[in-house]
Amino acid sequence: TQLLEQSPQFLSIQEGENLTVYCNSSSVFSSLQWYRQEPGEGPVLLVTVVTGGEVKKLKRLTFQFGDARKDSSLHITAAQPGDTGLYLCAVYNNDMRFGAGTRLTVKP
Amino acid sequence: NAGVTQTPKFQVLKTGQSMTLQCAQDMNHEYMSWYRQDPGMGLRLIHYSVGAGITDQGEVPNGYNVSRSTTEDFPLRLLSAAPSQTSVYFCASSYSWTGGEKLFFGSGTQLSVL
Repeated sequence: TQLLEQSPQFLSIQEGENLTVYCNSSSVFSSLQWYRQEPGEGPVLLVTVVTGGEVKKLKRLTFQFGDARKDSSLHITAAQPGDTGLYLCAVYNNDMRFGAGTRLTVKP
Repeated sequence: NAGVTQTPKFQVLKTGQSMTLQCAQDMNHEYMSWYRQDPGMGLRLIHYSVGAGITDQGEVPNGYNVSRSTTEDFPLRLLSAAPSQTSVYFCASSYSWTGGEKLFFGSGTQLSVL
């Protein structure tokens, strides 16, 4: 059983659509991070959330940390082809652990 | 700004061969780590280091060795490569190891073991 469960595993949408991806766990964490990875590159940090219920916005991306600090969501408004990539959540649990990711494809 | 540099970018090995994946960072980061990425498995931690001379095992350490003689370098050694070690390997670093820090990743090494 993975520490972090991400869903959906794959998502393919048209440009302009909205979407939400999820990162869930049964454990409580002091913080949670979201990374985006493009083909042939390493992951790049998008955001860190630290407070239960916290909402952070990064242009068209909205990140929320669950009230109990066990889960998080990433919402993208009006998705664009440039949003295509693998979205990974990660937590510190004695060391840094990652979920398996959601692979998003945005078609023009 | 070099950041985290990994070499080589691609490597093909035969079963039983040994090799070292190189990782260097120029940000004076305390924490360095190695991950492997396999389809559907996400990033799995192999080994990590919280400073020069200090290393520890991660989630999947078997078949890999590491050492950290300097702050800048953190090589990963495969002593006897196996097909199960075919994967993409990423090195990452952060300023500290207290959690919640931004991880900086290299661009990866794609390793195939035949």
